[in-house]
Amino acid sequence: KNQVEQSPQSLIILEGKNCTLQCNYTVSPFSNLRWYKQDTGRGPVSLTIMTFSENTKSNGRYTATLDADTKQSSLHITASQLSDSASYICVVSKNSGNTPLVFGKGTRLSVIA
Amino acid sequence: NAGVTQTPKFQVLKTGQSMTLQCAQDMNHNSMYWYRQDPGMGLRLIYYSASEGTTDKGEVPNGYNVSRLNKREFSLRLESAAPSQTSVYFCASIKGPATEAFFGQGTRLTVV
Repeated sequence: KNQVEQSPQSLIILEGKNCTLQCNYTVSPFSNLRWYKQDTGRGPVSLTIMTFSENTKSNGRYTATLDADTKQSSLHITASQLSDSASYICVVSKNSGNTPLVFGKGTRLSVIA
Repeated sequence: NAGVTQTPKFQVLKTGQSMTLQCAQDMNHNSMYWYRQDPGMGLRLIYYSASEGTTDKGEVPNGYNVSRLNKREFSLRLESAAPSQTSVYFCASIKGPATEAFFGQGTRLTVV
């Protein structure tokens, strides 16, 4: 069973609209949660990192929230642009020094004109 | 500021051939990782190196070997390539807990 579940699998929205992507995780003990953007054919690029004590973090038009009690996170994209078309990946890290990151399968977002 | 550099970017192998994927980072990071990404799947960990001189298996290590040559370099070797190893391979490095992970641009490998 995947320890990081993302929804929806894919999403199509009109340029200028907002959208919210969801991430539920069971990774324990929890250290931090990251959101990455991955353009087609490229490596993932970090958007936000949140630790246990943080419940919201913004990076431009991207705002991530974290509820460590319910083990849920969301990524809200405001005023979407065509360049936002990409896969958005939720990644959770365990509370242990160099333990590898646990990746969700990602949400494929397509922004259309 | 190269970050994480992977070579080659593309490779086609015949079944049974061997090859080594190279990864180097110039950020003085302690931990390095090799992932593979298949269509419809998340990134899956093959091997990782928490620090220079150490390596550990990840989720899908079979058919691969790794070498942490020094702090900068972490290579992935396929001894006898199989079609099931057709994938995109990503190398990543992290300085420490709760710090940003940096990824290379990926190596697209096809085994025929």
